[in-house]
Amino acid sequence: KQEVTQIPAALSVPEGENLVLNCSFTDSAIYNLQWFRQDPGKGLTSLLLIQSSQREQTSGRLNASLDKSSGRSTLYIAASQPGDSATYLCAVRLNNAGNMLTFGGGTRLMVKP
Amino acid sequence: DTAVSQTPKYLVTQMGNDKSIKCEQNLGHDTMYWYKQDSKKFLKIMFSYNNKELIINETVPNRFSPKSPDKAHLNLHINSLELGDSAVYFCASSQTGTSGYTFGSGTRLTVV
Repeated sequence: KQEVTQIPAALSVPEGENLVLNCSFTDSAIYNLQWFRQDPGKGLTSLLLIQSSQREQTSGRLNASLDKSSGRSTLYIAASQPGDSATYLCAVRLNNAGNMLTFGGGTRLMVKP
Repeated sequence: DTAVSQTPKYLVTQMGNDKSIKCEQNLGHDTMYWYKQDSKKFLKIMFSYNNKELIINETVPNRFSPKSPDKAHLNLHINSLELGDSAVYFCASSQTGTSGYTFGSGTRLTVV
């Protein structure tokens, strides 16, 4: 059974800092891994999708890496801004029927002005 | 143009009632899903459905049933609502073999 863990559960940083969010998963037979952002009371916004054959993906100030063999992914946020404050969720999709995602518990990020 | 839309956004109802939540996607995806986010914010899969098969998470009570009138819609019907069903329910879609997921904005269900 796939388990996904995100560390830290919460993070507070001053504006401008570079930061790293961590995600680990127990079953390395994944199809892909996706990072989402969730604002309070809102839905999920997809940030980055990494296929199992890829090592990293970049979008603007965001960079996500994937190390399948060690069961780890990191989301790097450069030059953080108050507007980055949200919960960041990591989700993995296995190579099995149903295309279902298994989510981590999320990292709640607050960027202080 | 909203890609995955859910209605209603909020639903307050009494214990024992039967209710439905509707979901529509205009992305042409072949698979749709329902996820539940509990009070601790954990997101868990409930159902995965395409025109070939329905896969049910074994922890989902049989009071919950997905209904798909066509490829673009997957509604969630809940019978005999219980207090513990209070949560935010998210619909999502994806295309087999290619894309990641697109989520709807969620339906906050409160059972009183």
